[in-house]
Amino acid sequence: EPEVTQTPSHQVTQMGQEVILRCVPISNHLYFYWYRQILGQKVEFLVSFYNNEISEKSEIFDDQFSVERPDGSNFTLKIRSTKLEDSAMYFCASRGDSLTLNQPQHFGDGTRLSIL
Amino acid sequence: DAKTTQPNSMESNEEEPVHLPCNHSTISGTDYIHWYRQLPSQGPEYVIHGLTSNVNNRMASLAIAEDRKSSTLILHRATLRDAAVYYCILMLLMRDDKIIFGKGTRLHILP
Repeated sequence: EPEVTQTPSHQVTQMGQEVILRCVPISNHLYFYWYRQILGQKVEFLVSFYNNEISEKSEIFDDQFSVERPDGSNFTLKIRSTKLEDSAMYFCASRGDSLTLNQPQHFGDGTRLSIL
Repeated sequence: DAKTTQPNSMESNEEEPVHLPCNHSTISGTDYIHWYRQLPSQGPEYVIHGLTSNVNNRMASLAIAEDRKSSTLILHRATLRDAAVYYCILMLLMRDDKIIFGKGTRLHILP
């Protein structure tokens, strides 16, 4: 069964540094998402992306965050200047090989980001 | 988004059926009921969804009350691998489908 893959599985970065989290969504999917989960807390929506542009973003997704689909396969989340509070698991998800509504989202196993 | 209410945690014995309840008394006519689960150290995983009729798939069954104000996820024969946090989520038809996760129900399976 096709999977969403995320790399790296664990990223350790100094505060203030830039970090790029990478995702390879399922190949024929059209909708892409990033979520995060701070340790012990709920999974939180960050951003959705369709047709090479952001569809929706949450309040968490401020100017320090950006997303990109640089080629036909990768979907990246960049944090420009990391803060301690950015430490979390970051999950990528993808959905939909058509415009059918209510298709499930498929999640990767996440990247654990640790900011020192 | 309409709100769901789930118990914080439940326990079940291995190889027995598990019924995970969810209340959604403010559900609207165009809300679908979705269930996801999150196994330890993994991303969320889709389980099942439905609108009005009961649904079955290889993972579980979804029983939806006639008034749609509640639903129950049924695992027919729990295994240790089913130990996870289960999320009941309402998603509005015809709208952007970002998932708003609640706290879910943490299901413990006893061997």
